[in-house]
Amino acid sequence: QKEVEQNSGPLSVPEGAIASLNCTYSDRGSQSFFWYRQYSGKSPELIMFIYSNGDKEDGRFTAQLNKASQYVSLLIRDSQPSDSATYLCAVGNSGGYQKVTFGTGTKLQVIP
Amino acid sequence: DVKVTQSSRYLVKRTGEKVFLECVQDMDHENMFWYRQDPGLGLRLIYFSYDVKMKEKGDIPEGYSVSREKKERFSLILESASTNQTSMYLCASRRKVMGNSPLHFGNGTRLTVT
Repeated sequence: QKEVEQNSGPLSVPEGAIASLNCTYSDRGSQSFFWYRQYSGKSPELIMFIYSNGDKEDGRFTAQLNKASQYVSLLIRDSQPSDSATYLCAVGNSGGYQKVTFGTGTKLQVIP
Repeated sequence: DVKVTQSSRYLVKRTGEKVFLECVQDMDHENMFWYRQDPGLGLRLIYFSYDVKMKEKGDIPEGYSVSREKKERFSLILESASTNQTSMYLCASRRKVMGNSPLHFGNGTRLTVT
């Protein structure tokens, strides 16, 4: 089992719709969770991070964390073509050096 | 704003060459990381350093070494480059805090070994 799993996609949504991106992780002791956006040929850029169960909102983005189910998601409201990118889920592990493990990413396509 | 600078955007090297990839951050971050990214495999951790002169192996350290003589600089060394080390290399840094703080990435170095 992979430590951090994401559906590779592509996930296609029409402009203006809600895009829902999902991620599961295997280390039950994980403490921190990050979402990065990566445009083709570019490096990952941080969108959001969440540490506690529940929802965290920032503009059009909402991160949701459910530690009991080992599940974290990212919702993008009013999706725009400029949101088309690969979204990487990253999990901070519980070990001493707090390694961060990445999923392989979900490609999102927003159709105008 | 955090700035992580990787010395080269594109690099072409020959098999067997010793290759140095340099990374500098300007935010006094304690932790620095080297990842490689390959299609379908995502980002895989090669090495990380939690402070000056300290280093820890990541998930795929074979064929690589690192150097951290100064806090702001973290170098990745390919001792004898091979074609299977053709990849995008990403450097990242973060502040050392209780729990995990976010990683900040450089622009990446696309290395081709021929």
